[in-house]
Amino acid sequence: GAVVSQHPSWVICKSGTSVKIECRSLDFQATTMFWYRQFPKQSLMLMATSNEGSKATYEQGVEKDKFLINHASLTLSTLTVTSAHPEDSSFYICSAQRTGGSDTQYFGPGTRLTVL
Amino acid sequence: KQEVTQIPAALSVPEGENLVLNCSFTDSAIYNLQWFRQDPGKGLTSLLLIQSSQREQTSGRLNASLDKSSGRSTLYIAASQPGDSATYLCAVRQGGGSYIPTFGRGTSLIVHP
Repeated sequence: GAVVSQHPSWVICKSGTSVKIECRSLDFQATTMFWYRQFPKQSLMLMATSNEGSKATYEQGVEKDKFLINHASLTLSTLTVTSAHPEDSSFYICSAQRTGGSDTQYFGPGTRLTVL
Repeated sequence: KQEVTQIPAALSVPEGENLVLNCSFTDSAIYNLQWFRQDPGKGLTSLLLIQSSQREQTSGRLNASLDKSSGRSTLYIAASQPGDSATYLCAVRQGGGSYIPTFGRGTSLIVHP
């Protein structure tokens, strides 16, 4: 149990376009999901905390208008990178915390975004 | 601000060796510490979670210890195998109600046959 999926697993887009990444908890409900980005050989950096039915909480330095997060249901959160630029190219990983469960975060497989 | 450091950054060993990966953190007021495995281009797989009140956790060939007062955790891998090759990440979650983990940069492990 506790499987988290991400879609797509990789995406290549042109500069200026928007890209949506989905994070789903497949076999449990997740009131809270987290979005991270990871640069090559770097650690994971938390971008924002996504709470079902409310606005996301963004970490300092993360532009909320550029990285739109929607958590419309207990099993789905989406991250939209708007007007993507080459510097947004990165590995984006989500995690989900089981509603009413332990504090363990279950991570998705990640999405590789390349902006040309 | 919590800082997490992992040493060594990279490790290459022959199959069969017992390994110790180190993780240190600057603020000892933690809630828990978690070890993850990440394969290239993949997400994270949780290996072991140690609550702040615990000293160690074991799963198969893996053993993680926690010394909160000194700000250290070690991940011990017994009888390493080529399939253990991956990057191992340590993440510390603060106490005081913050559930946001701080990750180290990881130790890249290669176990060669």
